[in-house]
Amino acid sequence: GEDVEQSLFLSVREGDSSVINCTYTDSSSTYLYWYKQEPGAGLQLLTYIFSNMDMKQDQRLTVLLNKKDKHLSLRIADTQTGDSAIYFCAETGANNLFFGTGTRLTVIP
Amino acid sequence: ETGVTQSPTHLIKTRGQQVTLRCSSQSGHNTVSWYQQALGQGPQFIFQYYREEENGRGNFPPRFSGLQFPNYSSELNVNALELDDSALYLCASSPGVNPYNEQFFGPGPRLTVL
Repeated sequence: GEDVEQSLFLSVREGDSSVINCTYTDSSSTYLYWYKQEPGAGLQLLTYIFSNMDMKQDQRLTVLLNKKDKHLSLRIADTQTGDSAIYFCAETGANNLFFGTGTRLTVIP
Repeated sequence: ETGVTQSPTHLIKTRGQQVTLRCSSQSGHNTVSWYQQALGQGPQFIFQYYREEENGRGNFPPRFSGLQFPNYSSELNVNALELDDSALYLCASSPGVNPYNEQFFGPGPRLTVL
């Protein structure tokens, strides 16, 4: 089945850039997603990228996709304390999403 | 437009008991998916309901069952609870079964099984 992997933890200083990485296995996924989860809240869709794109930029967020290596990354520019959360990458299945284990981002003031 | 709401918010059960979790989908959404998120893990797909019928199921045993009502709200029922069922149960609604439709997630109740 699909397998989506992420590193578990990332700490950055406020104002620096954060890069969260993800590898996936299903090369037929058309969309790949980044979700954010804050304590007590549901998953919030941050951004997504089509599989035929290499890069997508959305304000402070940049998504890079290397389809050959099945590698996806999320860069957050000028990271703020409000960005502290767990970030999940996800790929589409037949009628559902397959999520990674999540990366806990801690922003140090 | 109201978002996805779930009830209850927290609950504690003992092993062997049964639990029912409820989800109200976002206005205009006819598809509801349920996910289980164990502590420190990513959400795992349990099943999806579309227009009151099950439309896909993940790798969960039959003691996990569900319903969808004519107003598209949904229930997740778990029988014979086990300790490993302790998790956050997320409900997501979307405007159709196309997997590329954005799914809107509720905050999920956290179930603790003792």
